[in-house]
Amino acid sequence: ILNVEQSPQSLHVQEGDSTNFTCSFPSSNFYALHWYRWETAKSPEALFVMTLNGDEKKKGRISATLNTKEGYSYLYIKGSQPEDSATYLCASSTSGTYKYIFGTGTRLKVLA
Amino acid sequence: EADIYQTPRYLVIGTGKKITLECSQTMGHDKMYWYQQDPGMELHLIHYSYGVNSTEKGDLSSESTVSRIRTEHFPLTLESARPSHTSQYLCASSEGASPLHFGNGTRLTVT
Repeated sequence: ILNVEQSPQSLHVQEGDSTNFTCSFPSSNFYALHWYRWETAKSPEALFVMTLNGDEKKKGRISATLNTKEGYSYLYIKGSQPEDSATYLCASSTSGTYKYIFGTGTRLKVLA
Repeated sequence: EADIYQTPRYLVIGTGKKITLECSQTMGHDKMYWYQQDPGMELHLIHYSYGVNSTEKGDLSSESTVSRIRTEHFPLTLESARPSHTSQYLCASSEGASPLHFGNGTRLTVT
């Protein structure tokens, strides 16, 4: 079973702070890594799809990096805003499958 | 924009009843998934499909069954609901290596 882990489990930051979270996944037979944002009472929404070692993706104040050799990805949020409060999920799959296994998520609360 | 629909949104049902959770997508995606999430826990893959007449069990053992007779439709059935089936069920679809598009989920309570 593919084991995907995320840390920290939860995080409280002040508005304006920058923050980052980690997603760890098995590096063997890696195919793709996804990052999602899940707000309360909504469905998870995709942020990034990452496939290549060294990939860096950016969307506004949010960016992500990928290291497939060591099996980790970082998600960064610059200048956090209250609307960034959500659970951030990563999901990984192995080559030959499109089976996406999710981590436990990082619950972010940005305090105004 | 992605369109994937789940019904019902909420369901409260007694033990022993048969239930079907509906999931439909209008994007023509070949892959569809069912995830189960208990409160405060991660999403667990319980079923997936790569196309019509293809279904596989996920990593979390589940007493539910699924079918994929049409591309757009991926219903999940519990023959005899039990309190241990109380959970949130999320359906998703994707095409190729694109990200998953999720429905709004069904929150099931079995009394």
